[in-house]
Amino acid sequence: GAVVSQHPSWVICKSGTSVKIECRSLDFQATTMFWYRQFPKQSLMLMATSNEGSKATYEQGVEKDKFLINHASLTLSTLTVTSAHPEDSSFYICSAIFNKETQYFGPGTRLLVL
Amino acid sequence: AQSVTQLGSHVSVSEGALVLLRCNYSSSVPPYLFWYVQYPNQGLQLLLKYTSAATLVKGINGFEAEFKKSETSFHLTKPSAHMSDAAEYFCAVSDGGSEKLVFGKGTKLTVNP
Repeated sequence: GAVVSQHPSWVICKSGTSVKIECRSLDFQATTMFWYRQFPKQSLMLMATSNEGSKATYEQGVEKDKFLINHASLTLSTLTVTSAHPEDSSFYICSAIFNKETQYFGPGTRLLVL
Repeated sequence: AQSVTQLGSHVSVSEGALVLLRCNYSSSVPPYLFWYVQYPNQGLQLLLKYTSAATLVKGINGFEAEFKKSETSFHLTKPSAHMSDAAEYFCAVSDGGSEKLVFGKGTKLTVNP
């Protein structure tokens, strides 16, 4: 099946710093990737849709200036959490569309902001 | 707007017993339906999907789900639970294969020896 990777798997940072998370489709090209956030014991909430070569589409309530998304190639999307604060601590998961039919998910990145 | 309701946030079964995880959806268009499994501190793994073909869908690890339009349901079943099935299960709906997913709140499955 299709494989999606994320890097890093864990990141701890100080409040006020920026953190970049990478999402890669390893064996297929993905024009569309999605970024989700999952708080403990909760479901996944879509943050934004990342389209290769164009601006990301953000869900209502998600600050686009805080969560910068860049989808510069057909296999890579990045999420940058700018000026991170403790309330941004969460599990961030990306997904990529395979064969225009199915979303495959990355293993997730756990962010802890101190 | 689409929505997914998973009945039962926790389900506990004995090893070897039937697993039944319930999912009801709401969609204004013919839906694409998915079941994903999540193990602790991991991403989501696709179990199976319904994309308007056969109503009984077979997935990995012995799981299957049946699409019932009249009941707007897509329940997940497995005849015999295994200890390794203990995980969180998410039902999701979308307008199409390339569209964003709307997830249910998840059901945590516990398998007792």
